[in-house]
Amino acid sequence: AQTVTQSQPEMSVQEAETVTLSCTYDTSESDYYLFWYKQPPSRQMILVIRQEAYKQQNATENRFSVNFQKAAKSFSLKISDSQLGDAAMYFCAYRGIYGGATNKLIFGTGTLLAVQP
Amino acid sequence: GAVVSQHPSWVICKSGTSVKIECRSLDFQATTMFWYRQFPKQSLMLMATSNEGSKATYEQGVEKDKFLINHASLTLSTLTVTSAHPEDSSFYICSARDPSLGGENQPQHFGDGTRLSIL
Repeated sequence: AQTVTQSQPEMSVQEAETVTLSCTYDTSESDYYLFWYKQPPSRQMILVIRQEAYKQQNATENRFSVNFQKAAKSFSLKISDSQLGDAAMYFCAYRGIYGGATNKLIFGTGTLLAVQP
Repeated sequence: GAVVSQHPSWVICKSGTSVKIECRSLDFQATTMFWYRQFPKQSLMLMATSNEGSKATYEQGVEKDKFLINHASLTLSTLTVTSAHPEDSSFYICSARDPSLGGENQPQHFGDGTRLSIL
């Protein structure tokens, strides 16, 4: 079974600085998808970024980028120029490639990010 | 983009009552929806996969008779917490993926969640 591990329960960053959130996963599949979701205090789940395992190039979305290391099964999220609105719980998630619409997301335990003004 | 609507957003009820939570896909047909439960400061725990026109698939440890799931149409899945007790108090979230967009890399879209408080 696949598992997702986030080893940092809490992180803190100064406004305008850069922070990296860690995520590792375990799978025997060769193709899969990885996601980072943000959950602010409103508890709405917001997709931050996604990565296809078959793509070597790291995904980037504005201030958010990932460092995807397939061999190491690592998928870290880098937030540059941190803003107060980035404060939230961040979840790393895995989804296999087979199974179509029934394919479920497997979440990590989350990292609570605080942004200091 | 695809939107998933969840209702109600917050419900408070007495112990022993049953509570129904609705999850709707507003602009797409969802043959599959997912129901999650989340305790404070914890991760989302998948409870069950709701399948349109057939029985839901429950995760290990989730009581089928306690958490009834009905997916009667392509745009609506309901979760009913039967004979709710204080330990059922939690945050419940549904999600779905728009299959018409194609591509396995399409993300799941989440409802805004339902905060359930049992007194």
